[in-house]
Amino acid sequence: NAGVTQTPKFQVLKTGQSMTLQCAQDMNHEYMSWYRQDPGMGLRLIHYSVGAGITDQGEVPNGYNVSRSTTEDFPLRLLSAAPSQTSVYFCASSYLGSYNEQFFGPGTRLTVL
Amino acid sequence: DQQVKQNSPSLSVQEGRISILNCDYTNSMFDYFLWYKKYPAEGPTFLISISSIKDKNEDGRFTVFLNKSAKHLSLHIVPSQPGDSAVYFCAASALGGGSNYKLTFGKGTLLTVNP
Repeated sequence: NAGVTQTPKFQVLKTGQSMTLQCAQDMNHEYMSWYRQDPGMGLRLIHYSVGAGITDQGEVPNGYNVSRSTTEDFPLRLLSAAPSQTSVYFCASSYLGSYNEQFFGPGTRLTVL
Repeated sequence: DQQVKQNSPSLSVQEGRISILNCDYTNSMFDYFLWYKKYPAEGPTFLISISSIKDKNEDGRFTVFLNKSAKHLSLHIVPSQPGDSAVYFCAASALGGGSNYKLTFGKGTLLTVNP
């Protein structure tokens, strides 16, 4: 089991550019989510999905789009990158149901100039 | 307004002694609490959890205590080891509140265990 994988590990963008952060899991987890971690801010939920075709907004969704066409993949799209989106992004997954801890990927460090 | 608060940004302890990390929450709907450990350049990893029907959960060197009336939980690590040096995040969710899977995280506490 590879667990939760994220690509790329590092990315530098210019303001206004678009890109997609990839996330995949091989544990057949129904639930997947994206968080961002900023210095002194902890982790904040961006978007989440409880299954293929179902997504919803988290705490800080503005500027990001997601889709879930398969159980395994949950890409995060930045349509027009802004310096405020400079952060470390983590993808996580878990089974649905109570008392299931989320498994996190290694993260993508994004810098927007 | 922060719903999960970790008021100590850092904590330093000697190897072999007890480490106590604290977490306070304000949302009374939270009924499931987790601790995650994070090393630099890695994703958080699950450490231990507790549901609101319990006041203590133990797993090896790690014990989490929950005081619902005070809306306070703590993580005890005994004995502390240098490999425990990491950032510890407290997280909470409201399983019965229709937002079962959303985790709200604290800002984290950097634990340093000195040899």
